Amino acid sequence: ETGVTQTPRHLVMGMTNKKSLKCEQHLGHNAMYWYKQSAKKPLELMFVYSLEERVENNSVPSRFSPECPNSSHLFLHLHTLQPEDSALYLCASSQDGSTNEKLFFGSGTQLSVL
Amino acid sequence: GENVEQHPSTLSVQEGDSAVIKCTYSDSASNYFPWYKQELGKRPQLIIDIRSNVGEKKDQRIAVTLNKTAKHFSLHITETQPEDSAVYFCAENYGGATNKLIFGTGTLLAVQP
Repeated sequence: ETGVTQTPRHLVMGMTNKKSLKCEQHLGHNAMYWYKQSAKKPLELMFVYSLEERVENNSVPSRFSPECPNSSHLFLHLHTLQPEDSALYLCASSQDGSTNEKLFFGSGTQLSVL
Repeated sequence: GENVEQHPSTLSVQEGDSAVIKCTYSDSASNYFPWYKQELGKRPQLIIDIRSNVGEKKDQRIAVTLNKTAKHFSLHITETQPEDSAVYFCAENYGGATNKLIFGTGTLLAVQP
């Protein structure tokens, strides 16, 4: 199943590094999401994009910077992260971002910040 | 703020037994309650959902019930099989124009053969 593809699968970075996570969806959807999954915590919504416009920013620190150049691609640019930012970052897509839609998740990027 | 409480955090059952996971939400305006299953090392996938205008929905061995008055909803899995072993997340969408799901903390279900 390759509807939503995330790269890289694993990433280790230092606190002073700059890196980017990539997500691509092949489902013809118009909405894309970033979620953070930490151990023993709920999935936390970070950002929502609908038709390449950011429609939700869930109080995420500025060291996380999303970019949605088109409806098929979503990036999360990372800089000066903290060790507590280590987590699984999941991308998802849905038809158009309206309420009550099914989310299609990618396999995630496991991020470790040293 | 909005939150969903999910219990238990871990659940171990014998193959063939039933499993029940419960979630409680706080916003009476919530109208959509999906359940996602995440197998080890894999992506979360929607397995069943229910909207606030119905009280129960079934799909083969899984069912979800909703009690709007008490603000809780439950996932029921009957005749459990080893492949049901996974982490199950409940969620609510508290409305608005954006698809903004609030997830529970997850339940690790282990089905013992």
